[in-house]
Amino acid sequence: SAVISQKPSRDICQRGTSLTIQCQVDSQVTMMFWYRQQPGQSLTLIATANQGSEATYESGFVIDKFPISRPNLTFSTLTVSNMSPEDSSIYLCSAYSEPLYGYTFGSGTRLTVV
Amino acid sequence: AQSVTQLDSQVPVFEEAPVELRCNYSSSVSVYLFWYVQYPNQGLQLLLKYLSGSTLVESINGFEAEFNKSQTSFHLRKPSVHISDTAEYFCAVSVASGGYNKLIFGAGTRLAVHP
Repeated sequence: SAVISQKPSRDICQRGTSLTIQCQVDSQVTMMFWYRQQPGQSLTLIATANQGSEATYESGFVIDKFPISRPNLTFSTLTVSNMSPEDSSIYLCSAYSEPLYGYTFGSGTRLTVV
Repeated sequence: AQSVTQLDSQVPVFEEAPVELRCNYSSSVSVYLFWYVQYPNQGLQLLLKYLSGSTLVESINGFEAEFNKSQTSFHLRKPSVHISDTAEYFCAVSVASGGYNKLIFGAGTRLAVHP
């Protein structure tokens, strides 16, 4: 299955600023996904990133707050914009690769907003 | 809408005892089901998955799960747990949406293995 390198692994940011998280996959993948895991909670899907088209956002998430790029089949970024303490979470990217129907996850970015 | 319910938020168990972590899903179509494990301060690791074929699937570290279509369940079991199995376990279902599939997760079950 694909291997994902996600960075940064953690960051402490000031409120009102933005942070861009990067995910690099070691092989071409059809779909990439971004999740948020709030403290002590499960994973909530933010959006699906398609190469060459706009990301598809889940209910409750908007592009202005979480802009996503997917310039090629091995790379994606998620930006958390105009951050507030409520954005403190772990953000994970995931890649889907066929034919083994595998969903692989990055190690996550632990974000703390102060 | 498809969803996943993990019936137990926490499961305490003694070392070498058997354990079952319960997962039910709602779906009107064929599903793909997954169990992921998250060790403290680490990312998600795939434990096992059901795509088709045999309803009993096994992982390399002794866990197994059985797909039960009539009960819409995919419970995770291990006959004898170790301290090192202490982790958060997530059940997930693959949902078809807009020409692709996305993973929807249950709330998670925290397995705490005590000596």
